[in-house]
Amino acid sequence: DGGITQSPKYLFRKEGQNVTLSCEQNLNHDAMYWYRQDPGQGLRLIYYSQIVNDFQKGDIAEGYSVSREKKESFPLTVTSAQKNPTAFYLCASSPPGQLFYGYTFGSGTRLTVV
Amino acid sequence: SQKIEQNSEALNIQEGKTATLTCNYTNYSPAYLQWYRQDPGRGPVFLLLIRENEKEKRKERLKVTFDTTLKQSLFHITASQPADSATYLCALLISSNTGKLIFGQGTTLQVKP
Repeated sequence: DGGITQSPKYLFRKEGQNVTLSCEQNLNHDAMYWYRQDPGQGLRLIYYSQIVNDFQKGDIAEGYSVSREKKESFPLTVTSAQKNPTAFYLCASSPPGQLFYGYTFGSGTRLTVV
Repeated sequence: SQKIEQNSEALNIQEGKTATLTCNYTNYSPAYLQWYRQDPGRGPVFLLLIRENEKEKRKERLKVTFDTTLKQSLFHITASQPADSATYLCALLISSNTGKLIFGQGTTLQVKP
């Protein structure tokens, strides 16, 4: 079945540590997105990519980095510069002609600072 | 400033009744508005899309309206069931070039048997 796979489901980070969240899709979608979700708040856009080897900052990119070396993969690194990284992270993709379709989301990664 | 607001209070209704959820926005001129369902600990699932020139859209027991004058969308679930209990998110397409969506904070619906 086609879909988006995020891993790991749960991740614990120590202070000052960089961690990488994986996002893989087999939907042949061009565009991919990373959102952060905090309790009682809407999803906030971190980074997005419309094509391979190109990506743009979203509304809250500080302390995060991404790469898009393959169409299928869009990993997110949470760096030590991100002061409040504890949140639920969601990866999404959308197909060509994206105006008429919704996003497909992964199941999310819950990151906790310990 | 640009805002999307959904009722932050949970909506509790009895099974069989119609649930109505509200999404209001300011300082946007979206071409499209979308609704998603999110279950606890899971990613959102796309439900419906409505365009700015459409007043109403239906899909099975779901109905969405879009009033660009009031800057408001209403999401209705008729004949609600306990399985409809979830958080519902509205999202605005703010850039047709990038496909960027801006999400509301969601409203939690609880349908009691």
